[in-house]
Amino acid sequence: ETGVTQSPTHLIKTRGQQVTLRCSSQSGHNTVSWYQQALGQGPQFIFQYYREEENGRGNFPPRFSGLQFPNYSSELNVNALELDDSALYLCASSRGTGASNEKLFFGSGTQLSVL
Amino acid sequence: DAKTTQPNSMESNEEEPVHLPCNHSTISGTDYIHWYRQLPSQGPEYVIHGLTSNVNNRMASLAIAEDRKSSTLILHRATLRDAAVYYCIRYNQGGKLIFGQGTELSVKP
Repeated sequence: ETGVTQSPTHLIKTRGQQVTLRCSSQSGHNTVSWYQQALGQGPQFIFQYYREEENGRGNFPPRFSGLQFPNYSSELNVNALELDDSALYLCASSRGTGASNEKLFFGSGTQLSVL
Repeated sequence: DAKTTQPNSMESNEEEPVHLPCNHSTISGTDYIHWYRQLPSQGPEYVIHGLTSNVNNRMASLAIAEDRKSSTLILHRATLRDAAVYYCIRYNQGGKLIFGQGTELSVKP
């Protein structure tokens, strides 16, 4: 039990639609990161938020955007869905010290299918 | 660019030790080595991390080579619940883990 919850667990959308995925972090964790995991691959870093500001971004287009709220919840929004966006989306929270020995706590993910 | 290299898969027998290797030949002096594992249908789970010295915790041990170009995760007695994908990660930027393909560990009863 990591204390990180994601909703919904599964979602089906059609190409071109927009989707919002939600994450509730551990209390006191100032950093939330989002990852995309395609089938059979390791998770890929999308972006990170620290105290409601974007604090790093991976190689993902602008149609992937996020929000972080003061109550330790966050959202990942994806516009104009493409078939290749089908994946498991993971959020991870951490204290946000920036230290290289900091642990991340992952949720169980949202499985998104784009038809 | 994960910059770590792991075998794609390994097998172990239940109750036996397992040594999962990882090569990170271009590691810098400030990079920590982190290990996470991902059980089926779950998100990754922290296992252990280290910088230079060998480390032990309740889940596993981490042995880091003296030149820090490789490391080995040691599960002392594998159980069926240890079947998972194990990721070795160089980590020098807070919160941003760069995952590779990982090693899929299967445990036989």
